Amino acid sequence: KAGVTQTPRYLIKTRGQQVTLSCSPISGHRSVSWYQQTPGQGLQFLFEYFSETQRNKGNFPGRFSGRQFSNSRSEMNVSTLELGDSALYLCASSLRQGRSYEQYFGPGTRLTVT
Amino acid sequence: GESVGLHLPTLSVQEGDNSIINCAYSNSASDYFIWYKQESGKGPQFIIDIRSNMDKRQGQRVTVLLNKTVKHLSLQIAATQPGDSAVYFCAEGGSQGNLIFGKGTKLSVKP
Repeated sequence: KAGVTQTPRYLIKTRGQQVTLSCSPISGHRSVSWYQQTPGQGLQFLFEYFSETQRNKGNFPGRFSGRQFSNSRSEMNVSTLELGDSALYLCASSLRQGRSYEQYFGPGTRLTVT
Repeated sequence: GESVGLHLPTLSVQEGDNSIINCAYSNSASDYFIWYKQESGKGPQFIIDIRSNMDKRQGQRVTVLLNKTVKHLSLQIAATQPGDSAVYFCAEGGSQGNLIFGKGTKLSVKP
């Protein structure tokens, strides 16, 4: 069974631009969560989608948004990019929503904002 | 302002020795804990999990111990191998269903 895939793997953007990242979960997994990983803050939860609905949200500004499609694929968007948005963005999928379910991570998208 | 790079605790062990990685968690109400391994250039990989109704759980070469009294979690790796070199994160299940990650420990295995 194929793992979680994320595209693109690397991205360079300029301040003020917007970016869209894509995540394809493991087949059969309906929950997709997004995390931001930086050297300063570590791994931080952005949001979770299940059945095309955002179920949970972390403490990030409204510039960070996402959506999930009927095939469970998910995208996240960051608008008006700032230098501090440079990070590894990780997507994780799991069978079901909510607590206590094993999450499988993709390789991440490395975003650099200049 | 400029962000400061996170200084990860580092554990260096000799190949074949046992490794113990420790983690303190914050929420006494957390009922689910996981250890992840992250190799350079890759996403975190699930190692082992434990629920709060257990004190110990064993996997292949790994054991997780949970001490709820002092909110402490540890991961023991038996007969550590060079392939075990990575950053190890503990995570607790958050109230929103998300995972709350610790800062990580970098394990280096000397051949």
